[in-house]
Amino acid sequence: AQTVTQSQPEMSVQEAETVTLSCTYDTSESDYYLFWYKQPPSRQMILVIRQEAYKQQNATENRFSVNFQKAAKSFSLKISDSQLGDAAMYFCAYRIGYGGATNKLIFGTGTLLAVQP
Amino acid sequence: EPEVTQTPSHQVTQMGQEVILRCVPISNHLYFYWYRQILGQKVEFLVSFYNNEISEKSEIFDDQFSVERPDGSNFTLKIRSTKLEDSAMYFCASSLLYEQYFGPGTRLTVT
Repeated sequence: AQTVTQSQPEMSVQEAETVTLSCTYDTSESDYYLFWYKQPPSRQMILVIRQEAYKQQNATENRFSVNFQKAAKSFSLKISDSQLGDAAMYFCAYRIGYGGATNKLIFGTGTLLAVQP
Repeated sequence: EPEVTQTPSHQVTQMGQEVILRCVPISNHLYFYWYRQILGQKVEFLVSFYNNEISEKSEIFDDQFSVERPDGSNFTLKIRSTKLEDSAMYFCASSLLYEQYFGPGTRLTVT
Protein backbone atom coordinates (compact mmCIF):
# COMPACT_ATOMS: atom_id res chain seq x y z
CA ALA A 1 0.00 0.00 0.00
CA GLN A 2 1.14 3.51 -0.71
CA THR A 3 1.97 5.77 2.20
CA VAL A 4 3.01 9.39 2.54
CA THR A 5 5.06 10.61 5.51
CA GLN A 6 5.67 14.16 6.64
CA SER A 7 8.08 14.04 9.55
CA GLN A 8 7.92 17.73 10.50
CA PRO A 9 4.67 18.50 12.34
CA GLU A 10 5.61 22.19 12.64
CA MET A 11 8.10 24.53 11.01
CA SER A 12 8.85 28.21 11.41
CA VAL A 13 10.50 30.68 9.03
CA GLN A 14 11.29 34.38 9.08
CA GLU A 15 9.60 36.55 6.51
CA ALA A 16 11.69 36.79 3.30
CA GLU A 17 13.69 33.67 4.22
CA THR A 18 13.59 30.24 2.60
CA VAL A 19 12.12 27.12 4.14
CA THR A 20 12.01 23.49 3.02
CA LEU A 21 9.24 21.08 3.98
CA SER A 22 9.99 17.37 3.80
CA CYS A 23 7.91 14.53 2.42
CA THR A 24 8.72 10.91 1.79
CA TYR A 25 6.48 8.29 0.25
CA ASP A 26 6.43 4.58 -0.26
CA THR A 27 5.21 2.94 -3.44
CA SER A 28 6.08 0.09 -5.73
CA GLU A 29 4.60 1.92 -8.71
CA SER A 30 6.72 3.66 -11.32
CA ASP A 31 4.00 5.94 -12.70
CA TYR A 32 2.55 8.38 -10.20
CA TYR A 33 2.01 12.01 -9.36
CA LEU A 34 2.98 14.00 -6.29
CA PHE A 35 1.37 17.18 -5.06
CA TRP A 36 1.68 19.82 -2.39
CA TYR A 37 -1.54 21.36 -1.08
CA LYS A 38 -1.79 24.38 1.19
CA GLN A 39 -4.52 24.66 3.83
CA PRO A 40 -4.76 28.13 5.42
CA PRO A 41 -6.86 28.73 8.55
CA SER A 42 -9.96 28.93 6.35
CA ARG A 43 -9.34 25.18 5.76
CA GLN A 44 -9.68 25.50 1.99
CA MET A 45 -7.35 23.04 0.21
CA ILE A 46 -5.29 24.89 -2.39
CA LEU A 47 -3.11 23.11 -4.95
CA VAL A 48 0.41 24.53 -4.79
CA ILE A 49 2.47 22.40 -7.15
CA ARG A 50 2.48 19.09 -9.04
CA GLN A 51 5.28 16.71 -10.04
CA GLU A 52 5.00 13.84 -12.51
CA ALA A 53 7.21 10.89 -11.56
CA TYR A 54 8.39 10.39 -15.13
CA LYS A 55 9.83 13.91 -15.28
CA GLN A 56 13.37 14.40 -14.06
CA GLN A 57 13.05 18.16 -13.97
CA ASN A 58 11.82 19.56 -10.68
CA ALA A 59 8.55 21.50 -10.84
CA THR A 60 8.54 25.23 -10.09
CA GLU A 61 5.67 27.65 -9.51
CA ASN A 62 6.87 31.18 -8.77
CA ARG A 63 8.34 31.08 -5.22
CA PHE A 64 7.52 27.40 -4.78
CA SER A 65 9.76 24.62 -6.05
CA VAL A 66 10.23 20.95 -5.33
CA ASN A 67 13.21 18.67 -4.93
CA PHE A 68 12.05 15.34 -6.32
CA GLN A 69 14.39 12.44 -5.62
CA LYS A 70 12.70 9.41 -7.16
CA ALA A 71 15.19 6.80 -6.02
CA ALA A 72 15.03 8.08 -2.45
CA LYS A 73 11.22 8.52 -2.69
CA SER A 74 11.57 12.03 -1.41
CA PHE A 75 9.54 15.08 -2.45
CA SER A 76 10.38 18.26 -0.55
CA LEU A 77 8.83 21.70 -1.03
CA LYS A 78 10.97 24.81 -0.97
CA ILE A 79 9.33 28.17 -0.35
CA SER A 80 11.56 31.12 -1.22
CA ASP A 81 11.09 34.70 0.00
CA SER A 82 8.49 33.56 2.53
CA GLN A 83 5.50 35.83 3.02
CA LEU A 84 3.05 36.12 5.88
CA GLY A 85 0.36 34.69 3.62
CA ASP A 86 2.34 31.47 3.30
CA ALA A 87 1.47 30.57 6.88
CA ALA A 88 -0.67 27.45 6.60
CA MET A 89 -0.77 23.69 6.93
CA TYR A 90 0.97 22.04 4.01
CA PHE A 91 0.02 18.56 2.88
CA CYS A 92 2.01 16.30 0.60
CA ALA A 93 -0.14 13.97 -1.51
CA TYR A 94 0.37 11.03 -3.88
CA ARG A 95 -1.74 9.41 -6.56
CA ILE A 96 -1.15 6.54 -8.96
CA GLY A 97 -0.58 7.74 -12.51
CA TYR A 98 -2.23 5.00 -14.51
CA GLY A 99 -5.89 4.00 -14.70
CA GLY A 100 -7.28 7.31 -15.81
CA ALA A 101 -8.00 10.15 -13.45
CA THR A 102 -10.22 8.35 -10.95
CA ASN A 103 -7.50 7.49 -8.50
CA LYS A 104 -7.61 8.86 -5.00
CA LEU A 105 -5.13 11.18 -3.39
CA ILE A 106 -3.25 9.79 -0.40
CA PHE A 107 -2.24 12.54 2.00
CA GLY A 108 0.48 12.93 4.57
CA THR A 109 -0.25 14.21 8.06
CA GLY A 110 0.76 17.76 7.23
CA THR A 111 3.33 20.35 8.32
CA LEU A 112 2.13 23.52 10.02
CA LEU A 113 4.22 26.43 8.76
CA ALA A 114 4.45 29.63 10.78
CA VAL A 115 5.93 32.77 9.20
CA GLN A 116 7.47 35.24 11.64
CA PRO A 117 7.47 38.95 10.70
CA GLU B 1 -11.30 31.38 -12.54
CA PRO B 2 -13.72 28.44 -12.16
CA GLU B 3 -13.89 26.88 -8.73
CA VAL B 4 -15.60 24.10 -6.82
CA THR B 5 -18.35 25.34 -4.51
CA GLN B 6 -19.93 23.60 -1.53
CA THR B 7 -23.03 24.23 0.54
CA PRO B 8 -23.65 24.66 3.37
CA SER B 9 -20.40 25.90 4.85
CA HIS B 10 -21.44 24.60 8.28
CA GLN B 11 -24.09 22.04 9.15
CA VAL B 12 -25.11 21.10 12.65
CA THR B 13 -27.25 18.00 13.05
CA GLN B 14 -28.38 15.62 15.73
CA MET B 15 -27.14 12.06 15.93
CA GLY B 16 -29.29 9.75 13.83
CA GLN B 17 -30.42 12.45 11.42
CA GLU B 18 -29.82 12.40 7.68
CA VAL B 19 -27.66 15.07 6.07
CA ILE B 20 -26.99 15.97 2.48
CA LEU B 21 -23.85 17.87 1.59
CA ARG B 22 -23.86 19.61 -1.75
CA CYS B 23 -21.12 20.39 -4.22
CA VAL B 24 -20.96 22.05 -7.61
CA PRO B 25 -17.80 20.82 -9.37
CA ILE B 26 -15.98 22.77 -12.04
CA SER B 27 -18.21 22.62 -15.10
CA ASN B 28 -16.00 20.73 -17.58
CA HIS B 29 -14.60 18.29 -15.05
CA LEU B 30 -15.49 14.62 -15.33
CA TYR B 31 -14.25 13.06 -12.10
CA PHE B 32 -15.63 13.83 -8.67
CA TYR B 33 -14.49 13.00 -5.18
CA TRP B 34 -15.40 13.34 -1.54
CA TYR B 35 -12.78 13.52 1.22
CA ARG B 36 -13.10 14.17 4.90
CA GLN B 37 -10.82 15.65 7.52
CA ILE B 38 -11.44 15.09 11.20
CA LEU B 39 -10.14 18.10 13.16
CA GLY B 40 -6.38 17.95 13.56
CA GLN B 41 -5.99 14.90 11.33
CA LYS B 42 -5.06 14.28 7.73
CA VAL B 43 -7.39 14.36 4.78
CA GLU B 44 -8.93 10.94 4.01
CA PHE B 45 -10.46 9.70 0.78
CA LEU B 46 -14.10 8.63 0.88
CA VAL B 47 -15.27 8.02 -2.68
CA SER B 48 -14.63 8.78 -6.33
CA PHE B 49 -17.31 9.08 -9.00
CA TYR B 50 -17.15 8.98 -12.78
CA ASN B 51 -19.69 8.48 -15.54
CA ASN B 52 -22.54 8.37 -13.03
CA GLU B 53 -21.16 5.59 -10.91
CA ILE B 54 -18.77 5.04 -8.02
CA SER B 55 -15.25 4.28 -9.21
CA GLU B 56 -13.69 3.58 -5.86
CA LYS B 57 -14.64 3.87 -2.21
CA SER B 58 -12.76 3.58 1.05
CA GLU B 59 -13.62 1.45 4.05
CA ILE B 60 -15.00 4.59 5.68
CA PHE B 61 -17.67 4.81 2.97
CA ASP B 62 -20.07 2.24 4.38
CA ASP B 63 -23.79 1.71 3.77
CA GLN B 64 -24.62 4.90 5.64
CA PHE B 65 -23.02 6.95 2.87
CA SER B 66 -24.22 7.51 -0.66
CA VAL B 67 -23.35 9.85 -3.51
CA GLU B 68 -25.39 11.13 -6.38
CA ARG B 69 -25.14 13.44 -9.34
CA PRO B 70 -28.83 14.36 -9.64
CA ASP B 71 -28.36 16.79 -12.52
CA GLY B 72 -25.59 18.09 -14.73
CA SER B 73 -24.08 20.34 -12.10
CA ASN B 74 -24.56 19.08 -8.54
CA PHE B 75 -22.75 16.29 -6.74
CA THR B 76 -24.09 15.27 -3.34
CA LEU B 77 -22.96 13.22 -0.37
CA LYS B 78 -25.70 11.80 1.85
CA ILE B 79 -25.15 10.39 5.30
CA ARG B 80 -28.27 8.45 6.25
CA SER B 81 -27.98 8.26 10.02
CA THR B 82 -25.23 10.46 11.38
CA LYS B 83 -22.97 9.40 14.23
CA LEU B 84 -20.87 11.55 16.53
CA GLU B 85 -17.73 10.31 14.77
CA ASP B 86 -19.00 11.70 11.46
CA SER B 87 -18.17 15.19 12.73
CA ALA B 88 -15.51 16.43 10.34
CA MET B 89 -14.79 18.76 7.46
CA TYR B 90 -16.04 17.27 4.20
CA PHE B 91 -14.33 18.31 1.00
CA CYS B 92 -15.59 17.84 -2.52
CA ALA B 93 -13.03 17.79 -5.32
CA SER B 94 -13.19 17.54 -9.08
CA SER B 95 -10.70 16.87 -11.84
CA LEU B 96 -10.41 16.77 -15.57
CA LEU B 97 -7.12 14.92 -15.66
CA TYR B 98 -4.73 14.43 -12.76
CA GLU B 99 -5.03 17.61 -10.71
CA GLN B 100 -7.85 17.62 -8.21
CA TYR B 101 -9.37 20.93 -7.23
CA PHE B 102 -11.03 21.18 -3.87
CA GLY B 103 -14.04 23.10 -2.67
CA PRO B 104 -13.97 25.17 0.53
CA GLY B 105 -15.46 22.33 2.57
CA THR B 106 -18.54 21.77 4.72
CA ARG B 107 -17.98 21.57 8.44
CA LEU B 108 -20.36 18.92 9.79
CA THR B 109 -21.02 18.89 13.51
CA VAL B 110 -23.02 16.00 14.92
CA THR B 111 -24.41 16.54 18.43
